Amino acid sequence: AQTVTQSQPEMSVQEAETVTLSCTYDTSESNYYLFWYKQPPSRQMILVIRQEAYKQQNATENRFSVNFQKAAKSFSLKISDSQLGDTAMYFCAFMKQHGGSQGNLIFGKGTKLSVKP
Amino acid sequence: DSGVTQTPKHLITATGQRVTLRCSPRSGDLSVYWYQQSLDQGLQFLIQYYNGEERAKGNILERFSAQQFPDLHSELNLSSLELGDSALYFCASSMTSGRAYNEQFFGPGTRLTVL
Repeated sequence: AQTVTQSQPEMSVQEAETVTLSCTYDTSESNYYLFWYKQPPSRQMILVIRQEAYKQQNATENRFSVNFQKAAKSFSLKISDSQLGDTAMYFCAFMKQHGGSQGNLIFGKGTKLSVKP
Repeated sequence: DSGVTQTPKHLITATGQRVTLRCSPRSGDLSVYWYQQSLDQGLQFLIQYYNGEERAKGNILERFSAQQFPDLHSELNLSSLELGDSALYFCASSMTSGRAYNEQFFGPGTRLTVL
């Protein structure tokens, strides 16, 4: 079974600063996807960034980038130039790429990020 | 707006009762997923349907059931409700359930409160 662990329940950062959220996972699969989802106070689940395990290059989406270390099973999210609108819960998630149960997401417990003015 | 709709937005009911949550996927999406977000369990996958057939099951209780109809909307039925069933229930949809990556688009959720 796959597990996803987020060891930082809460974090805070000053506006315009950079913050890194940590995520580790456990799996015996070789092919999978990793995600970071954002859940603002509105409760809507928003996909922030996606990483395919077979790609060595780290994914980047504007101010959001990941550090994917496959051997270490680590997948951290870096938010640059933090904005007040980044205040939210952030969930790390895993999805198998092949075989049974492909498609459903396995989530970590989340990290509550507060961006302070 | 993700294009996934869920009704109702809020539901308050009593222990022992039965409720039905409804989800309409994005136009063209064949897969529907149900997730439960609670304080105790976090966000967990319940069940997936693809084009009317059950495709995968997660930590779904026997008191819970779901189905996907020919028009592709889905319903999650929760019966003999307990206080611990209070949670936010999300529906998500994606285009296919194949080997290629298909983004899951989440609905706004249904907040269930069991008193």
